[in-house]
Amino acid sequence: DIQMTQSPSSLSASVGGRVTITCRASQTIRSFLNWYQQKPGKAPKLLIYAASRLQSGVPSRISASGSGTDFSLTISSLQPEDSATYYCQQSYSSRYTFGQGTKLEIK
Amino acid sequence: QVQLVESGGGVVQPGRSLRLSCAASGFPFSGHGMHWVRQAPGKGLEWVAVMSYDGSNEYYADSVKGRFTISRDNAKNTVFLQMNSLRPDDTAVYYCAKGTGDCSGGTCYGFLDYWGQGTLVTVSS
Repeated sequence: DIQMTQSPSSLSASVGGRVTITCRASQTIRSFLNWYQQKPGKAPKLLIYAASRLQSGVPSRISASGSGTDFSLTISSLQPEDSATYYCQQSYSSRYTFGQGTKLEIK
Repeated sequence: QVQLVESGGGVVQPGRSLRLSCAASGFPFSGHGMHWVRQAPGKGLEWVAVMSYDGSNEYYADSVKGRFTISRDNAKNTVFLQMNSLRPDDTAVYYCAKGTGDCSGGTCYGFLDYWGQGTLVTVSS
């Protein structure tokens, strides 16, 4: 199976700030990389697909990049509602796998 | 609008079986692969299984292979997860999710664009 590793596991940032979360695949996954946001007690929400394509309705202050094995998710102009856990997920293999998650706290 | 509603969760003893259902509406069900993803209490997301749009292909995570079976009934817009030989570490919220592919540019990129609210499975004696 393709292993996905996110860093950091958690981070804290201020309203109005900017954060970057990284995700590394154990082998090349080209651009088959998606990002999800999950808030406590809720189902995950798709933010980004195909490494950098913004899902409809997701604010443009969320962006992502990368290809091959290294990817990143950047959230700018942080808002209190960005407090959540973020997961990367590969779809290069039919057997999808997720990263372990990055918990973002907004101060 | 797209809706995915899971049911069938509950408390079950180790070694027993349980069958989850996910009723879909608001999209052409027979045109989409359907996935199950689980989340143990306080833990991250774990992909479990997928069945292709027509039922011709299915894939499983190693942790459930040989014990869980995914199936679907396109006439009833429902996907199922039959879980046998359950273990305490199968305790989790189980989500069904709609698979979608963006095939612009000649390459199809898969992702999970809609999720149900989840159903809790607790395996305990």
